[in-house]
Amino acid sequence: KAGVTQTPRYLIKTRGQQVTLSCSPISGHRSVSWYQQTPGQGLQFLFEYFSETQRNKGNFPGRFSGRQFSNSRSEMNVSTLELGDSALYLCASSSEGVDTQYFGPGTRLTVL
Amino acid sequence: GDSVTQMEGPVTLSEEAFLTINCTYTATGYPSLFWYVQYPGEGLQLLLKATKADDKGSNKGFEATYRKETTSFHLEKGSVQVSDSAVYFCALTGGNNRLAFGKGNQVVVIP
Repeated sequence: KAGVTQTPRYLIKTRGQQVTLSCSPISGHRSVSWYQQTPGQGLQFLFEYFSETQRNKGNFPGRFSGRQFSNSRSEMNVSTLELGDSALYLCASSSEGVDTQYFGPGTRLTVL
Repeated sequence: GDSVTQMEGPVTLSEEAFLTINCTYTATGYPSLFWYVQYPGEGLQLLLKATKADDKGSNKGFEATYRKETTSFHLEKGSVQVSDSAVYFCALTGGNNRLAFGKGNQVVVIP
């Protein structure tokens, strides 16, 4: 099976812009979770989607949002970018009833 | 809330040495425990997992045992190779599909 894929792999934006990141889960996986990784805060949970519904949400401002499509692909959007949003954004998928998450390679976002 | 604590600082050791990375956790109920590894420029790879007390997860020579009495899940490998150089993360989930991670440990293996 193909693994989790994320596009794009690298992004450079400026403050105030918005960005959309995409994630395609492993075939058959219906749960998609997003994490932010920074040197200072480590790995932090953003949100989880299952069957097109947000099922869990971490402690991030409303500028961070996401959605999931009927084919389980997910997108994450960050509006009004700040310098502190520079991070590696990781997507993970899992199958229903199984708590093991498999991660994609991440999208490296740099905000200038 | 759920949390994971890993020993502070990088770990530097010689090839064929014994590796131990400590991990302790705080959680309500009975979490599942994981070790993930991250190579430079890549995402996280699942290394091993354990889902209940006294379970031992193992993969590629790495082992970790779920110790409920000490709330620990220490990672061990008997003989490391240069290719094991990476960052290792301990994590848990309490059944809500939300992983809580430790800060990670950079492991550097010197030939």
